[in-house]
Amino acid sequence: KAGVTQTPRYLIKTRGQQVTLSCSPISGHRSVSWYQQTPGQGLQFLFEYFSETQRNKGNFPGRFSGRQFSNSRSEMNVSTLELGDSALYLCASSFRDRAGEQYFGPGTRLTVT
Amino acid sequence: DAKTTQPPSMDCAEGRAANLPCNHSTISGNEYVYWYRQIHSQGPQYIIHGLKNNETNEMASLIITEDRKSSTLILPHATLRDTAVYYCIVRVDGRNNAGNNRKLIWGLGTSLAVNP
Repeated sequence: KAGVTQTPRYLIKTRGQQVTLSCSPISGHRSVSWYQQTPGQGLQFLFEYFSETQRNKGNFPGRFSGRQFSNSRSEMNVSTLELGDSALYLCASSFRDRAGEQYFGPGTRLTVT
Repeated sequence: DAKTTQPPSMDCAEGRAANLPCNHSTISGNEYVYWYRQIHSQGPQYIIHGLKNNETNEMASLIITEDRKSSTLILPHATLRDTAVYYCIVRVDGRNNAGNNRKLIWGLGTSLAVNP
C-alpha cells in the first residue's frame, strides 16, 4: 500500500506570493491533518479534514487555508507569504476511528525569501 | 501548549535498551499518550500509544505509571537506525461544531543518539 505523498517536496517563493501544497493520503484513509514544523516551535497543528469538512483548526491566521476533495486528497494554501512561513509542512492521514495513529508524508520544504 | 515534558536529548549505546521518559502530570482521565519518532529529513512515524495499561508492539514498549502522570518508552535493543527525535504526545479530545474534536498536542521531543 502506498504511503502518504506530498507535492512538491521543495518550494521557494518570495514574500507576498501565495502557495498551494498537495497531499494524497493512504488509500482508505479519510482524515487528513496538516502541520507546520519549524526548528524553534516544533510541530504546530494547522487543520484537519474529514469527508471534505474541516473538523479541527489550530491557531494560525486566516492566510492559511485548506480543503479536501471527494477522493480524500487535500490541499493547503498560504496567501501573502511572509518570511516566517518558511517551514516544513507535513501532511498526515489516518482512519477516522484511530485518530491518534497518523501516517505522515515526507513534507514540503517551503522557503520564503 | 504541549501537555508533556521530555528531556531535550539522551544518549544510548547500540544494543542496549533506551528508556525515554515523559512527564504528563496534567493529563486527564480519558486522554491517551502517543509516541512518535522523527528521523532526520523524514515525516514523523507512529510508534505506540496507551491509556492506562502498559503496551508492547514490535517496535517498543510503553510503561505508564499508575497515576498516569508519567510514562516511559522502551526500545529494548537500540540500533543506530533508532537515532531520531522521539515525541511524547497527549491526544486531547473534545467536541466542536464539526463533532468529535481530537488533536495531538506536540512538544519538542527528545533527541536520542544511539552510539556504536
